[in-house]
Amino acid sequence: DGGITQSPKYLFRKEGQNVTLSCEQNLNHDAMYWYRQDPGQGLRLIYYSQIVNDFQKGDIAEGYSVSREKKESFPLTVTSAQKNPTAFYLCASSKTGTGFYEQYFGPGTRLTVT
Amino acid sequence: AQTVTQSQPEMSVQEAETVTLSCTYDTSESNYYLFWYKQPPSRQMILVIRQEAYKQQNATENRFSVNFQKAAKSFSLKISDSQLGDTAMYFCAFAPAGNQFYFGTGTSLTVIP
Repeated sequence: DGGITQSPKYLFRKEGQNVTLSCEQNLNHDAMYWYRQDPGQGLRLIYYSQIVNDFQKGDIAEGYSVSREKKESFPLTVTSAQKNPTAFYLCASSKTGTGFYEQYFGPGTRLTVT
Repeated sequence: AQTVTQSQPEMSVQEAETVTLSCTYDTSESNYYLFWYKQPPSRQMILVIRQEAYKQQNATENRFSVNFQKAAKSFSLKISDSQLGDTAMYFCAFAPAGNQFYFGTGTSLTVIP
């Protein structure tokens, strides 16, 4: 079955440590996205990539970094510079082109930093 | 700036009744798409329905329909014959050209048996 996988489902880290969240898709989508979800704030875009080896900052990129070395993979690193890293993180992907395409979401990773 | 507003943080509805969730957006774009996503307690985001801005006809998907008022920049979701499985957070999303989505803050819907 085609889809998006995020691992792990729950992640715990100590303050000051970098942590990398995994996102893999087998939908053959060109575009991939990372969102952060906090209570009462909806989904906020961290980074997105529309093609391999290229990515753009979203609204809340500070303290995060990404890479896009393969079409299928878009890992997100939460660095120690991110002041409030505890949140639910969602990865998404979509087709690109002249039309408009819905985003397909992974199951999410809940990150807790103490 | 593109903004999406969902003014109802929480709503409830009796099973089998109809409920309408509100969404307004602000944009200077003329061509865009609008979406409603559902996030049940599992937290998996699921697409419910989408609407192309250039289409005047309102989209429908089974028990879900929208009321799209382009001039008013309004995009409400109507759920008919509500079922217990409709209990979820519902997010309105706006997508101008370029595939970047803008999400509202969500409406938590509870269906009461």
